[in-house]
Amino acid sequence: EDKVVQSPLSLVVHEGDTVTLNCSYEVTNFRSLLWYKQEKKAPTFLFMLTSSGIEKKSGRLSSILDKKELFSILNITATQTGDSAIYLCASRYGNKLVFGAGTILRVKS
Amino acid sequence: DGGITQSPKYLFRKEGQNVTLSCEQNLNHDAMYWYRQDPGQGLRLIYYSQIVNDFQKGDIAEGYSVSREKKESFPLTVTSAQKNPTAFYLCASSISSGGSTDTQYFGPGTRLTVL
Repeated sequence: EDKVVQSPLSLVVHEGDTVTLNCSYEVTNFRSLLWYKQEKKAPTFLFMLTSSGIEKKSGRLSSILDKKELFSILNITATQTGDSAIYLCASRYGNKLVFGAGTILRVKS
Repeated sequence: DGGITQSPKYLFRKEGQNVTLSCEQNLNHDAMYWYRQDPGQGLRLIYYSQIVNDFQKGDIAEGYSVSREKKESFPLTVTSAQKNPTAFYLCASSISSGGSTDTQYFGPGTRLTVL
């Protein structure tokens, strides 16, 4: 069965901390891995990863994929309270996405 | 403004009633999707459509129905056969569903509560 597992399920940090969110996947016909941020309602797209070892960066966020180990991480440096959200990882197989349960991140001021 | 709209934002229904959730996009995307989100769980795919007048069941299609008569619109009906319909429903669209780099973009969601 295709599945995506995220860890930790929840995390509380202080502003300025660096966090690493984990995503492992087991899917047939893997095509890409996506990260989304969900604050109140609509998940917003962060990154799409298709190749191993190539880091994608956007400001304080970065992500990398390891296709051999079937694993991806999302790093957030110098966290701010606005980073508080649910972070969703999804693996694309064929023409569908399978999502993990998400990591709830809370950044305290 | 380009984007995906869902209505209503909140919906209450009594047990035994069918209810239809609206999803419209003006992004000229071919593919559209419906997901359900429950607390502590990831998004689960209900139905998806790759092209007008065609749609496929996702992982949890039982108790739901859809139509795709127009490219811009993909309404979801939650029928009385759905045993546990209270959830947050998200609609998404992508340029197509065949490319490995297609990104799905989400609407703001509808929170359905069955009383």
